[in-house]
Amino acid sequence: EAGVAQSPRYKIIEKRQSVAFWCNPISGHATLYWYQQILGQGPKLLIQFQNNGVVDDSQLPKDRFSAERLKGVDSTLKIQPAKLEDSAVYLCASSLDRTGIIINNEQFFGPGTRLTVL
Amino acid sequence: GQSLEQPSEVTAVEGAIVQINCTYQTSGFYGLSWYQQHDGGAPTFLSYNALDGLEETGRFSSFLSRSDSYGYLLLQELQMKDSASYFCACDTGGFKTIFGAGTRLFVKA
Repeated sequence: EAGVAQSPRYKIIEKRQSVAFWCNPISGHATLYWYQQILGQGPKLLIQFQNNGVVDDSQLPKDRFSAERLKGVDSTLKIQPAKLEDSAVYLCASSLDRTGIIINNEQFFGPGTRLTVL
Repeated sequence: GQSLEQPSEVTAVEGAIVQINCTYQTSGFYGLSWYQQHDGGAPTFLSYNALDGLEETGRFSSFLSRSDSYGYLLLQELQMKDSASYFCACDTGGFKTIFGAGTRLFVKA
């Protein structure tokens, strides 16, 4: 079974530039998550999709971050314009349908995109 | 606000047993997960507790007490390769997942 794919793996940009990250979840996984992980901290949920609908985006800085999941499969996260504090690893994860009774909410993570903003 | 508390660092020797505690305060609770993350790698799933009690998977076990808002991860027969960061994560109301800040485990020879 193929895992969660992300690209690019690394990105270096200057502040005020724009950047986009792409994620392709495991086939059949209805739920897709974007996390931001700053060095030395735990992953922070930015946005969670159930199919192509947003379940939670309460911690997404909507003035500069946007995300979409067209057709309920792959997803794109964009930052425009970037700030120095956006330097982090952006992790995409997916899991089976989150609705109903959850017996085992295993999330499968992609390798992440390491963003450096100069 | 919602929060999870876990120790920042733990050190143990090869072959020993170590317990990493996690206390949580959340709006709604469905379950507690544990993830392992090696430096430069992605988090990988270890266990999930939705009900009170102990879940065992090989050398790793995880415990949950919903009444105490508390859980722990138990690692037995420690190996050098277990040196990593360990995160507890809560599934809260609205199916939102919140991660703790992580516990860095150092295993010494």
